[in-house]
Amino acid sequence: KNEVEQSPQNLTAQEGEFITINCSYSVGISALHWLQQHPGGGIVSLFMLSSGKKKHGRLIATINIQEKHSSLHITASHPRDSAVYICAVRQGGSEKLVFGKGTKLTVNP
Amino acid sequence: DAGVIQSPRHEVTEMGQEVTLRCKPISGHNSLFWYRQTMMRGLELLIYFNNNVPIDDSGMPEDRFSAKMPNASFSTLKIQPSEPRDSAVYFCASSLGERDTQYFGPGTRLTVL
Repeated sequence: KNEVEQSPQNLTAQEGEFITINCSYSVGISALHWLQQHPGGGIVSLFMLSSGKKKHGRLIATINIQEKHSSLHITASHPRDSAVYICAVRQGGSEKLVFGKGTKLTVNP
Repeated sequence: DAGVIQSPRHEVTEMGQEVTLRCKPISGHNSLFWYRQTMMRGLELLIYFNNNVPIDDSGMPEDRFSAKMPNASFSTLKIQPSEPRDSAVYFCASSLGERDTQYFGPGTRLTVL
């Protein structure tokens, strides 16, 4: 079993829909990251959080430490949001990031 | 700043050849990470440096892989000899500190025939 599980693996939405991507992990962590990988391959760090919620534009990331679960929400989705979204956790006592397999999001116009 | 710079962007080589991937981190960043991405395994940390010193190389697959960081502005990842299963995209990332936001380079797509 992977230490970091993401769901769904693939997600197709219509422009304007509200998107939720989930990440569950099985180990104690000190931080959780959400990354975006564009179709061209480039990777951008979206959020780093250890508790609560963070918001940046139309993106919202939440984390529940007790339930070992995080969600990434996209409001008013747009075709330019089409990308692979990757969850990664930093295990407690380590600086290593362990990655989920990613969620491929396609937003159709 | 130009961001993290990696070279080459694409490399095609034959099995048994030596491959050297290069990375220039963002100026002022003290931590540098090498990752490998494959369809089967996703993103995996190979090794990371802090202040030019290797801190964790437990992700390096085997002795064929080696990484150096001779100074704060340059790092190399070397594979010798290369094998077809090494085909992947190799990313370099840097951050201010080990626990800070990481900035990724564009990656090097390696194909070993």
